[in-house]
Amino acid sequence: QQQVKQSPQSLIVQKGGISIINCAYENTAFDYFPWYQQFPGKGPALLIAIRPDVSEKKEGRFTISFNKSAKQFSLHIMDSQPGDSATYFCAASLRGGGYQKVTFGTGTKLQVIP
Amino acid sequence: SAVISQKPSRDICQRGTSLTIQCQVDSQVTMMFWYRQQPGQSLTLIATANQGSEATYESGFVIDKFPISRPNLTFSTLTVSNMSPEDSSIYLCSAGRGGMNTEAFFGQGTRLTVV
Repeated sequence: QQQVKQSPQSLIVQKGGISIINCAYENTAFDYFPWYQQFPGKGPALLIAIRPDVSEKKEGRFTISFNKSAKQFSLHIMDSQPGDSATYFCAASLRGGGYQKVTFGTGTKLQVIP
Repeated sequence: SAVISQKPSRDICQRGTSLTIQCQVDSQVTMMFWYRQQPGQSLTLIATANQGSEATYESGFVIDKFPISRPNLTFSTLTVSNMSPEDSSIYLCSAGRGGMNTEAFFGQGTRLTVV
């Protein structure tokens, strides 16, 4: 059972545009929602994260929007750059299982074209 | 942060054989995990590596197929046993400091091809 659903599977964005990736979760016990960025041949690296008591978190060009009632959250990448081309995973974890025990979404391959 | 090194980085193995993957963390960590990432797919948790005791396996993964050791707070191994082509995947080690620490760190992965 996929507990975190992610869309789209792939995304092509022009340089300078906004990239938007959406996720939905099922387990209401999740209380930590990180986003990971993965480049080819590398392991995932934490990009930005949010807790459900906050509706939005911004770090530089990256913003997470969180809708607890809808059990949905999204990543917005503003002014997308070719260097942002990577696979992005939304994820969820819960304190009871240890925050580092992560359930991953299905992934979005982002390509930013010049 | 924590730096995680995995060995080997890649291998090509014959079906029916076994491969042991090593994971070394540069500092003591509470939590260590093993994930599998099939080509173009997401990461699926195989098990939690427990120091000094048997690993905790997720549904669909069994100890006979994926034996795990964790002799101390910085090192773990995952063995993929009696391999078949379906085991061709990237295997990733992850670690974290536990408690209220939230970040999980990942190794670069071991790309396994079974022929």
